[in-house]
Amino acid sequence: AQSVTQLGSHVSVSEGALVLLRCNYSSSVPPYLFWYVQYPNQGLQLLLKYTSAATLVKGINGFEAEFKKSETSFHLTTPSAHMSDAAEYFCAVSDSGGKLIFGQGTELSVKP
Amino acid sequence: NAGVTQTPKFQVLKTGQSMTLQCAQDMNHNSMYWYRQDPGMGLRLIYYSASEGTTDKGEVPNGYNVSRLNKREFSLRLESAAPSQTSVYFCATSRAANYGYTFGSGTRLTVV
Repeated sequence: AQSVTQLGSHVSVSEGALVLLRCNYSSSVPPYLFWYVQYPNQGLQLLLKYTSAATLVKGINGFEAEFKKSETSFHLTTPSAHMSDAAEYFCAVSDSGGKLIFGQGTELSVKP
Repeated sequence: NAGVTQTPKFQVLKTGQSMTLQCAQDMNHNSMYWYRQDPGMGLRLIYYSASEGTTDKGEVPNGYNVSRLNKREFSLRLESAAPSQTSVYFCATSRAANYGYTFGSGTRLTVV
């Protein structure tokens, strides 16, 4: 069965610093992988997705993620954090039926 | 161009009361989903509907029922609300497994 683990429930960085949010998955089939962002009191918005094309995926708001099969990882990064990046981030894997299985979420705080 | 619309946005129920959460989409997607979001637990699938006329249980279906009224609408019913059902509920739709989901803005439910 597929599963997702996000390392770190809370990450705090300074404005302008590199952001790294970690996601590891398990899947018995080639996975579809997703990162979503949730701003306070809002729904989830798709940041980016991996669907077996390029292993380095670029998304919205300057974020990107690299699919590493050997490490079963799909970590999310952005080179320079902005105050507006403060939100909760969810990694998800699609199971064979197309249902998404979500990680526990990582809350990103950005300090001025 | 509403996407996925959930009503109501907020609700307070007393233990034992019943209510129906409504979800409607105008994206012509076949698949629809209900998730609940609880702190530190990510999103957990309650029920889903792969197409009009079909519904299936997800990870946490106890205490809930669903109806896929037509292609556009997928409702979630709590027959006898319990405090453990206090949560934020999200409806989502999907075109296909590799597209990910489009989410509604959520219903914040408190059971007292």
